[in-house]
Amino acid sequence: GNSVTQMEGPVTLSEEAFLTINCTYTATGYPSLFWYVQYPGEGLQLLLKATKADDKGSNKGFEDTYRKETTSFHLEKGSVQVSDSAVYFCALVQGGGADGLTFGKGTHLIIQP
Amino acid sequence: EPEVTQTPSHQVTQMGQEVILRCVPISNHLYFYWYRQILGQKVEFLVSFYNNEISEKSEIFDDQFSVERPDGSNFTLKIRSTKLEDSAMYFCASRNQAGVTNTEAFFGQGTRLTVV
Repeated sequence: GNSVTQMEGPVTLSEEAFLTINCTYTATGYPSLFWYVQYPGEGLQLLLKATKADDKGSNKGFEDTYRKETTSFHLEKGSVQVSDSAVYFCALVQGGGADGLTFGKGTHLIIQP
Repeated sequence: EPEVTQTPSHQVTQMGQEVILRCVPISNHLYFYWYRQILGQKVEFLVSFYNNEISEKSEIFDDQFSVERPDGSNFTLKIRSTKLEDSAMYFCASRNQAGVTNTEAFFGQGTRLTVV
């Protein structure tokens, strides 16, 4: 079956540091990939998505690249802020219609001033 | 901006009691989902619903769970006889467009269920 593996935290960085959160997946075919973010006390918000190989996304300073050859979908940000402190989930969906998302375990990111 | 809304935000129930978690998906969406997140663990898919019937369900979604779309707007998850291990955050999500894989799911804020 499908699976998503992401680095486990907590990851603690200083403000303005460079961030990489690794995500790799196992799936047949060509899944769509997503990054969701969960701020403290809130629900899941979509941060980035990619639907085909080499898709690059950008949102709120975060970037990702869907690399089929390495089955990876790493999340990066050049300069993190305290407000980026949250839990970040990598997820995939395969197939059309009603397929549910398969999530990674989440990476808790803590940014210190 | 349209959003998925869930009520209540927090529910405490005694073991063995029935609970109903409520969700109002985004109005023009076609697919509806329930997920759960046990504290500190990953988000897990429970069930998807389309065209007034269950489309897929995970092994977690056993006979004590049921879903319903009782009218044109609400989507509910019922747990018949709650167990301590049902304590979790339950997320409702909805998604647009049949047959298109790249549309994202929109999530509600979640209902924190505590079984005592």
